[in-house]
Amino acid sequence: DADVTQTPRNRITKTGKRIMLECSQTKGHDRMYWYRQDPGLGLRLIYYSFDVKDINKGEISDGYSVSRQAQAKFSLSLESAIPNQTALYFCATSDFLPGQGDEKLFFGSGTQLSVL
Amino acid sequence: DAKTTQPNSMESNEEEPVHLPCNHSTISGTDYIHWYRQLPSQGPEYVIHGLTSNVNNRMASLAIAEDRKSSTLILHRATLRDAAVYYCILILTQGGSEKLVFGKGTKLTVNP
Repeated sequence: DADVTQTPRNRITKTGKRIMLECSQTKGHDRMYWYRQDPGLGLRLIYYSFDVKDINKGEISDGYSVSRQAQAKFSLSLESAIPNQTALYFCATSDFLPGQGDEKLFFGSGTQLSVL
Repeated sequence: DAKTTQPNSMESNEEEPVHLPCNHSTISGTDYIHWYRQLPSQGPEYVIHGLTSNVNNRMASLAIAEDRKSSTLILHRATLRDAAVYYCILILTQGGSEKLVFGKGTKLTVNP
């Protein structure tokens, strides 16, 4: 089983619909992230969470919201989907520990979202 | 925040070594140099990272310039499965991955 699991893998929806993308992890990491990737572009950070009570906006948070239900679960919601939110979405965790000095990121397999 | 510069694409032949360059002229003393790769239809995966000294692991080697303004990811014998987009990014010591920028990376094509 994957350490970072995203559901669904693919989703097609219509403009104006509410959509939730889910991410769960079995790595025991505190830090979790949501990114989006558009064709031919790098990854852009949407939201990140350092623990259950600490949620922060990334560079492109408009139109998105998140919920950190537990250490292992971090959901991304599109309250009213629009076509330019069509993209590949990735969830990631980080093994950062204070005093450790460095960290690595672990990514899920992605959710391809199409908004018609 | 420090940025990295990579060539858009590179090509290699199977079983030959590949050297993927990365420039990071504005790197600070507390930035780790990380490499990730993204295989087709998958999320990025960690490859290797280092601070000052060259590093080796089972996947690759990382050569860091003495002034740390550039680095090179070395795949010793490229295979078809190494065809991917390779990202060079900087992460602050003591955390900072929330600030990192995944650029477009280098798309590596491996020819049989």
